[in-house]
Amino acid sequence: GAVVSQHPSWVICKSGTSVKIECRSLDFQATTMFWYRQFPKQSLMLMATSNEGSKATYEQGVEKDKFLINHASLTLSTLTVTSAHPEDSSFYICSAKDGDQPQHFGDGTRLSIL
Amino acid sequence: GENVEQHPSTLSVQEGDSAVIKCTYSDSASNYFPWYKQELGKRPQLIIDIRSNVGEKKDQRIAVTLNKTAKHFSLHITETQPEDSAVYFCAASKGTYKYIFGTGTRLKVLA
Repeated sequence: GAVVSQHPSWVICKSGTSVKIECRSLDFQATTMFWYRQFPKQSLMLMATSNEGSKATYEQGVEKDKFLINHASLTLSTLTVTSAHPEDSSFYICSAKDGDQPQHFGDGTRLSIL
Repeated sequence: GENVEQHPSTLSVQEGDSAVIKCTYSDSASNYFPWYKQELGKRPQLIIDIRSNVGEKKDQRIAVTLNKTAKHFSLHITETQPEDSAVYFCAASKGTYKYIFGTGTRLKVLA
């Protein structure tokens, strides 16, 4: 149980394009979803927290107009990196949880901007 | 701000030996402490967690201890195996809401 699916797993695109990443909870309802960014050999840095039907709460230093988050249902959240540039290249991981249960992570998306 | 320090950053042990990773948190209101194992390019996987109302929890070869007074908690892996090689992250949170992750420990188990 507690499976989180994240797509795509890997994306390469040109600078200036927008990229959408999906995070789905497959066998539970995710009241809260989280988006993290992880640079090579570094820890997971929380970008934003989203609750179903509410606006996302962004961490300090994260541009909300750059990283658009939508949590339209209890099983789906999306992260859109708008007008992506090479410095946005990173490993993005989502997690989801139901109520007081632990967070369960997706497989991550490796984003490369050329 | 809230902070979790994790040591060591790298750890090499011989197969069969024990490994210990330590974390210290700053927010005394933290009451939930999960440990995640992450293999290269894969998702972090929860391996054990502990809540602040207990001092120790064990699951087969893995155990976690918590010292609330000192605000530190540790992961203990006994009888290490090569497949234990990975990066381990500790985290602290209030409830299970917002995790503050440690910087990670790269564990290598030498056969």
